[in-house]
Formats: sequence, structure tokens, C-alpha cells
Amino acid sequence: KAGVTQTPRYLIKTRGQQVTLSCSPISGHRSVSWYQQTPGQGLQFLFEYFSETQRNKGNFPGRFSGRQFSNSRSEMNVSTLELGDSALYLCASSLGLAGGGNEQFFGPGTRLTVL
Amino acid sequence: DAKTTQPPSMDCAEGRAANLPCNHSTISGNEYVYWYRQIHSQGPQYIIHGLKNNETNEMASLIITEDRKSSTLILPHATLRDTAVYYCIVRVEGLTFGTGTRLTIIP
Repeated sequence: KAGVTQTPRYLIKTRGQQVTLSCSPISGHRSVSWYQQTPGQGLQFLFEYFSETQRNKGNFPGRFSGRQFSNSRSEMNVSTLELGDSALYLCASSLGLAGGGNEQFFGPGTRLTVL
Repeated sequence: DAKTTQPPSMDCAEGRAANLPCNHSTISGNEYVYWYRQIHSQGPQYIIHGLKNNETNEMASLIITEDRKSSTLILPHATLRDTAVYYCIVRVEGLTFGTGTRLTIIP
């Protein structure tokens, strides 16, 4: 079974631009979660989607948004990029909602650099 | 959310058992204990999880105390490839990662 895939793997943007990251979950998985990882803040939960609906949301500003499609693929968007948005963005999929006894499988991440 | 406390770093000799502790004194009855690890710049890797009972799989064992306020992840025969940051997580909705324990396996 193919693992979680994320595209692109690396991205360079400038302040003020917007960016869209894509995640394809493991086949059959219906939940997709997004995380931001920075050296200073560690791994922080952004949001979780299940059956095309956002089920949980972390403490991030509204510039961070996401969506999930009927095939469970997910995208996250960051508008008006700031230097502090430079990070590794990780996507994880699970059969059911994360935390409820379901294990999450992580993708390799997208490394975003904002100049 | 229940918060977790882990030692920032630990060393273990290759071939020995690595025992990684985690305190989660505010855990509630329906929160699972999860363990993940992250090897440099890769996505976190699921290791094991449990609710009340001890659990074992091909990678590790998870020992949860009877009051569920702490747990220990055991890697029975540590290898150099087990060098990573290990995260103990307790949460019902989503997963919140703390700072983890940086485990270094010494040859």
C-alpha cells in the first residue's frame, strides 16, 4: 500500500504571497490532519478533516485554511505569507479521527521557505 | 488536553532495552496514550498506543500505570536506527506533540 504523499516537497515563496500544499492519504483513510513543524515551536496541530468536513482545529490564524475532497485528498492554503510561516508542513492520514484510538501515518512533509 | 512531561534527552547502549518515561497526570478517562518518533527531518512514525492495558507490537511495548498517570515505552533491543526524538501524546481529538525525548543509541 502506498504511503501518504505530499506535493510539492520543497517550496520557496516571498512575503505576501499565498501557497497551496497538497496531501494524498493512504488508500481507504478518511481522515487527514495537517501539522506545522518549526525549530522554535515544535510540531503543532493545524486542523483535521474527515469526510470533507473540518472536525478539529488548532490555534492558528485564519490565514491558514484547508479542505478535503470526496476522494479524501486534502489541500491546505496559507494566504499573505509571513516570514514566520517558514516551516515543515506535515500531513497525516488515519482510518478514523485521530486520537480516537486510530494511528496516524505521516507523509514526508513540504518544506516551505518564505523570503 | 492532557499535557505530557518527558525528559529532554536520554542515552542507551546498543543492544540494551531503552525505557522512555512519560508523565501525563491530567489524563482523562477517554484519552489514549500514543507514542511516535521522528528521525531527523522525516515525518513522525507511529510506534504504539494504548488506553488502559499494556500493549506490545513488533516495535515496542507500552506500559501504562494503573492510575494512567504515567507510561513507559520500551524498545527491547535498541539499535543505532532507533536514535530519534520520541513523542508521548495524550489527546482525544487530534494530536498535540510536546518537545519529546531525544534518544541517542550509543554503539
